[in-house]
Amino acid sequence: EPEVTQTPSHQVTQMGQEVILRCVPISNHLYFYWYRQILGQKVEFLVSFYNNEISEKSEIFDDQFSVERPDGSNFTLKIRSTKLEDSAMYFCASRYRGTQSYEQYFGPGTRLTVT
Amino acid sequence: DAKTTQPPSMDCAEGRAANLPCNHSTISGNEYVYWYRQIHSQGPQYIIHGLKNNETNEMASLIITEDRKSSTLILPHATLRDTAVYYCIVLPTGTASKLTFGTGTRLQVTL
Repeated sequence: EPEVTQTPSHQVTQMGQEVILRCVPISNHLYFYWYRQILGQKVEFLVSFYNNEISEKSEIFDDQFSVERPDGSNFTLKIRSTKLEDSAMYFCASRYRGTQSYEQYFGPGTRLTVT
Repeated sequence: DAKTTQPPSMDCAEGRAANLPCNHSTISGNEYVYWYRQIHSQGPQYIIHGLKNNETNEMASLIITEDRKSSTLILPHATLRDTAVYYCIVLPTGTASKLTFGTGTRLQVTL
């Protein structure tokens, strides 16, 4: 069964450093998402991406964040200058373009630890 | 998007049916009810969705009341692996809508 994959599973970085989180969505999916979950808190939406552009972003997704689909398979989230409060699990999700179902399929997540 | 209300926690004995309720009294006509779950710190997992008819798949059944103001997710024979946080989410159709997760129901399946 196809699945969303994410790398790395755990990333440790120092405050102020740039990180890139990588995702490979399911191959025939056209909508892509990033969510994050700070330890013990709710899963929060960051950004959605369709047709090579951002379709929606939350107020969390400020100028320090960017997303890119550099080729036909990868979807990346970049944090330019990490802060301690960026420590969280980051989940990538993807969705088919169908008009009858909108379920999103999530990857296993990348745990980002900022020290 | 319509707001949902779920009990914070429930227990269920292994092998018994787990019935998880969700209230969505402000749901509008074009909004679906989606259920996801999150096992420990894994990525959320899609379970099932419905508009107004009851739905069943290999994981669960979804019962939506006739007025659509509430629904129940049924896991017919709960196992220990079904221990998770279950989220009921109302989602409008026709968009690439984000999922808005609440606090969900923490289901504990016990021996």
